[in-house]
Amino acid sequence: DAGVIQSPRHEVTEMGQEVTLRCKPISGHDYLFWYRQTMMRGLELLIYFNNNVPIDDSGMPEDRFSAKMPNASFSTLKIQPSEPRDSAVYFCASSLTEGSQPQHFGDGTRLSIL
Amino acid sequence: DAKTTQPTSMDCAEGRAANLPCNHSTISGNEYVYWYRQIHSQGPQYIIHGLKNNETNEMASLIITEDRKSSTLILPHATLRDTAVYYCIVRALLTGANNLFFGTGTRLTVIP
Repeated sequence: DAGVIQSPRHEVTEMGQEVTLRCKPISGHDYLFWYRQTMMRGLELLIYFNNNVPIDDSGMPEDRFSAKMPNASFSTLKIQPSEPRDSAVYFCASSLTEGSQPQHFGDGTRLSIL
Repeated sequence: DAKTTQPTSMDCAEGRAANLPCNHSTISGNEYVYWYRQIHSQGPQYIIHGLKNNETNEMASLIITEDRKSSTLILPHATLRDTAVYYCIVRALLTGANNLFFGTGTRLTVIP
């Protein structure tokens, strides 16, 4: 079975540029999560969706960050304009609604802003 | 969600059982214990979870104490590929509250 698929795996760009990260959740999962991981702060939840609707975006660092989920099989995380402090590994995860179902993570996008 | 406390690092000889402890003394009755691991440059991988009873799957066993204030993840026969950071997470099943709080975890090194 295909897991959570993220693209690109690596992104290097100059500050000020727009960055778009993409995620395809596991088919049938109705929760989707975006996390960011840095050495200083560890893994942090940025935003999550339920049935394509954003539920909690309190972890989004600032207005430069935005996330969308136009359908059940696709989500994007955009940073515009990007800054060097946005450099991190960004993970997408998905899960089923029912009970204690665990989250399943993609392999992440390693983002470097120069 | 209740906080967890784990040792920073542990070593285990290849082929031996790895026992990773976790303290969650403030756990509530509706909170589950989850274990994930993260191998370098990969996303966190779900291992196992439980509420009260001990659990076992193809990857590991989870032993939860009767008072639920601590638990142990057991990898029965550790291999070099089990070298990773292991996270113990406690999470309540509340509507709309599906966040996982990853602490610093335990860095397990399996030694040949």
